[in-house]
Amino acid sequence: RKEVEQDPGPFNVPEGATVAFNCTYSNSASQSFFWYRQDCRKEPKLLMSVYSSGNEDGRFTAQLNRASQYISLLIRDSKLSDSATYLCVVNAGSNDYKLSFGAGTTVTVRA
Amino acid sequence: NAGVTQTPKFQVLKTGQSMTLQCAQDMNHEYMSWYRQDPGMGLRLIHYSVGAGITDQGEVPNGYNVSRSTTEDFPLRLLSAAPSQTSVYFCASHQVGKGLQLNTEAFFGQGTRLTVV
Repeated sequence: RKEVEQDPGPFNVPEGATVAFNCTYSNSASQSFFWYRQDCRKEPKLLMSVYSSGNEDGRFTAQLNRASQYISLLIRDSKLSDSATYLCVVNAGSNDYKLSFGAGTTVTVRA
Repeated sequence: NAGVTQTPKFQVLKTGQSMTLQCAQDMNHEYMSWYRQDPGMGLRLIHYSVGAGITDQGEVPNGYNVSRSTTEDFPLRLLSAAPSQTSVYFCASHQVGKGLQLNTEAFFGQGTRLTVV
């Protein structure tokens, strides 16, 4: 089983729509959770960290469900500029600094 | 602030050739790592380092060597290039976190597109 699994998509949504997707992770001892954004095979960049209580950054909301071992990302009022691949990233386990990456979920926002 | 500088951006090698991918960071990060990214797969860890003089293998280390003589530099060496090493390579660094948030934001180099023919 992969350490981090994501629905690859693609999710094709119109501007202004809401899109949401999940990622599951296998190691219950993982402590750090992130969403990264990657454009056209450029380098990944941090979108947001994911905290236990859930957190919001503008139009983006991230949730963590430790019991079911999944992380979600919701994008409200989608913009054309949100078109990208979103990578779910989890640290490898308890006190382990190594990061495990999902293969990414592709989102395409159309005019 | 340059962040993570990775060179070259593109490289074509013949099978059997060797080369070094350079990576340098100016953020005084303890943790540095090398990944490869192939279509349909997540970034896979090749080698990593938690500080100068310390390196360890990741998920896919075969055919690659690393060294960490300084905090800033973490070069990746391909010993004898094979077509299976055709990929996009990323170097990354992050500070070691404390407490509940074990990892801090990872910063990536711009990537190296390597083709082995």
